[in-house]
Amino acid sequence: NAGVTQTPKFRVLKTGQSMTLLCAQDMNHEYMYWYRQDPGMGLRLIHYSVGEGTTAKGEVPDGYNVSRLKKQNFLLGLESAAPSQTSVYFCASSYSGGETGELFFGEGSRLTVL
Amino acid sequence: GENVEQHPSTLSVQEGDSAVIKCTYSDSASNYFPWYKQELGKGPQLIIDIRSNVGEKKDQRIAVTLNKTAKHFSLHITETQPEDSAVYFCAASRSTGTASKLTFGTGTRLQVTL
Repeated sequence: NAGVTQTPKFRVLKTGQSMTLLCAQDMNHEYMYWYRQDPGMGLRLIHYSVGEGTTAKGEVPDGYNVSRLKKQNFLLGLESAAPSQTSVYFCASSYSGGETGELFFGEGSRLTVL
Repeated sequence: GENVEQHPSTLSVQEGDSAVIKCTYSDSASNYFPWYKQELGKGPQLIIDIRSNVGEKKDQRIAVTLNKTAKHFSLHITETQPEDSAVYFCAASRSTGTASKLTFGTGTRLQVTL
């Protein structure tokens, strides 16, 4: 079972460049999330989606955009990358968001902005 | 918003000893408290969770306790093994019914030495 797949796994960008991270899940989950992980700061929610065609802001949304055109995919975009966006990005999905909201994570995408 | 503090940031134990990781939370309305384990190069994975109507939950060598009055919860690992070496994250959320907007702690790096 593939679960949650993130591409690419590694990327180096120059300041001002744009890029898109792709997340795909094959578990038919309604909810999908993008987190960033930084040393000493744990996991912080960037954006999330409660279903196809919907998106919402999380804790640290500035500088990022997302789209959920298909239920199985959740895209995270950086329009003009900044060094502060150097981080490891994790996508996650869950069957429900309420009582049983176990998150299933991908393996992460390490982004470096020079 | 919710704030979750986690201690210690690093923990080294000898194989066979017990390990305890503690978290405190600020939002008295939080009622779901999961623990995630992250192995090197992988995404976090749920290992155990507890809800506010329960004071303790066990799963083989892992147990979680919750004190709602004091707003803290702890992870206990007994008879530690080398494969327990990983980063552990606690988290807290309300059951919003819309999305698992978990607030994560900053993580504890557990090293089990032979």
